[in-house]
Amino acid sequence: RKEVEQDPGPFNVPEGATVAFNCTYSNSASQSFFWYRQDCRKEPKLLMSVYSSGNEDGRFTAQLNRASQYISLLIRDSKLSDSATYLCVVNTASGTYKYIFGTGTRLKVLA
Amino acid sequence: NAGVTQTPKFRVLKTGQSMTLLCAQDMNHEYMYWYRQDPGMGLRLIHYSVGEGTTAKGEVPDGYNVSRLKKQNFLLGLESAAPSQTSVYFCASSYPGTGATEAFFGQGTRLTVV
Repeated sequence: RKEVEQDPGPFNVPEGATVAFNCTYSNSASQSFFWYRQDCRKEPKLLMSVYSSGNEDGRFTAQLNRASQYISLLIRDSKLSDSATYLCVVNTASGTYKYIFGTGTRLKVLA
Repeated sequence: NAGVTQTPKFRVLKTGQSMTLLCAQDMNHEYMYWYRQDPGMGLRLIHYSVGEGTTAKGEVPDGYNVSRLKKQNFLLGLESAAPSQTSVYFCASSYPGTGATEAFFGQGTRLTVV
């Protein structure tokens, strides 16, 4: 079983739609959680960290469920520019090197 | 505001050739990492460093060596390139902390070994 698992997609959604991705992790000792965005052939960039109480940044909402060991990303009012691959990243001990990356979920927003 | 810079951005090698990838960061980060990204595999850690003069093996270290002589630089070497090392290589850095500390990535190096 992979340490971090994501549905690879692609998720094809029309502009303005709401879309949600989940990511499951296997290590219950995981402490920090992130969503990164990666555009085609570019480097991953931090979209948002995920906090225990959940957090929102504009159209993006991230949730953490420690009991079920998953994190989620909700995108409201999808834009064409949201088309990218979204990487789920887990750090097993805060501030150390153990970042574990999911393989990513591909999103295509259609006009 | 440079952040993390990788050189070169593209390279084609013949099997058996050697090369060094350079990563430089200007954020005074303690931790630096080299990853490779292959289709369907996600990012896999090759080697990492938790400070100047230190290096350690990651998940897929075979065929690679690294050095961190200066805090701001982390070099990845391929002594004898193989076609299996065709990949996109990303360098990243982060700072130690008690909270959620993100990793910052360089732009990547696309390496093809023929």
